[in-house]
Amino acid sequence: SQQGEEDPQALSIQEGENATMNCSYKTSINNLQWYRQNSGRGLVHLILIRSNEREKHSGRLRVTLDTSKKSSSLLITASRAADTASYFCATVPSGNTPLVFGKGTRLSVIA
Amino acid sequence: DVKVTQSSRYLVKRTGEKVFLECVQDMDHENMFWYRQDPGLGLRLIYFSYDVKMKEKGDIPEGYSVSREKKERFSLILESASTNQTSMYLCASSPGGAASYQPQHFGDGTRLSIL
Repeated sequence: SQQGEEDPQALSIQEGENATMNCSYKTSINNLQWYRQNSGRGLVHLILIRSNEREKHSGRLRVTLDTSKKSSSLLITASRAADTASYFCATVPSGNTPLVFGKGTRLSVIA
Repeated sequence: DVKVTQSSRYLVKRTGEKVFLECVQDMDHENMFWYRQDPGLGLRLIYFSYDVKMKEKGDIPEGYSVSREKKERFSLILESASTNQTSMYLCASSPGGAASYQPQHFGDGTRLSIL
């Protein structure tokens, strides 16, 4: 059951530019989470935003949530080559159910 | 630091074999999860557990079973391995309470090939 869908599927930018990834989902949520996955490794949790929050920051990361549009965005500012990875959004559809992950956005940052 | 350890990074088995994938976490987490990850399909939940000896089916449990005899260990079992189970398998854990609220911590995955 795919809940979140990331857009674009792949993104290639130059070092120093900003990268924006979007996530759309279908049902009401309790919270939305973003994860990062380096090639061949496990996922690492980046940030969690609750349904009553609109924006959250963590270092160079900025996440927004629009529950009326059922969408979220992840902005990475001043990107670095080390930011090259896949980024996933994950949502909590209802109650005590596990996270449901999207298919991810593959970000390439070219030095 | 939080750590989820999967027993093998790479594993090659033959069709029909019974395969065990082991996962251990050192964070005293109540919740543990097994996913498989395939190109173009993202992460799909196979089984999860909110407590010792407890298990719940995820989205794709067919062909798999799990065991959780101790809080820190969650094993995924392929009863009779088939080539369509060739995949990357990821284990994760999270603190207890409402599982949906908590971020998950992942292991580095096991890349399993069934020949």
